[in-house]
Amino acid sequence: DTEVTQTPKHLVMGMTNKKSLKCEQHMGHRAMYWYKQKAKKPPELMFVYSYEKLSINESVPSRFSPECPNSSLLNLHLHALQPEDSALYLCASSQVEDRHTEAFFGQGTRLTVV
Amino acid sequence: GEDVEQSLFLSVREGDSSVINCTYTDSSSTYLYWYKQEPGAGLQLLTYIFSNMDMKQDQRLTVLLNKKDKHLSLRIADTQTGDSAIYFCAETAYGNNRLAFGKGNQVVVIP
Repeated sequence: DTEVTQTPKHLVMGMTNKKSLKCEQHMGHRAMYWYKQKAKKPPELMFVYSYEKLSINESVPSRFSPECPNSSLLNLHLHALQPEDSALYLCASSQVEDRHTEAFFGQGTRLTVV
Repeated sequence: GEDVEQSLFLSVREGDSSVINCTYTDSSSTYLYWYKQEPGAGLQLLTYIFSNMDMKQDQRLTVLLNKKDKHLSLRIADTQTGDSAIYFCAETAYGNNRLAFGKGNQVVVIP
């Protein structure tokens, strides 16, 4: 199993809503990542978790709150988002942090904030 | 991050070869990567090359690295319609293992 599974695939939320994005992998990877990708742009790193601890926060606004409940799961909690936060949110995992030669990406959650 | 430059659009006929180019500025690059992103999908790592190599071949894919000119290319032989996608090059460097992506190159394969 070399899959990173993200749910939901699509999400529409209002600016006052609270929602969560989920990411799951069962490859035994100990590093997990959140990226944000705007249309026709490359992905931008948001957060990195290593061994279930937050390793990198790329100065992401606090309306995005990551959580790593266990080594297989990564969540991104969303609250009071803005329309400009609409994007494709990609999760990735790798065996250890920064081993990108063995990293896998999920299919993403396409988020629309209205 | 480091600057990674890519051209934007390439149209190629099915069965022909396609070449996508990328230039980078960080001379301390360790690995250089090629990712494929199909419409509405995540990124798929296609191949990568270590910075002390000049060439890597993997089935229909050939990666060429010119360290002197800081130029990376991906050649896809016998291009298929399923190769239509956006291709991103990326690099990691000594002391900075975060992926630095290029802007992406859209490849459209014409049947």
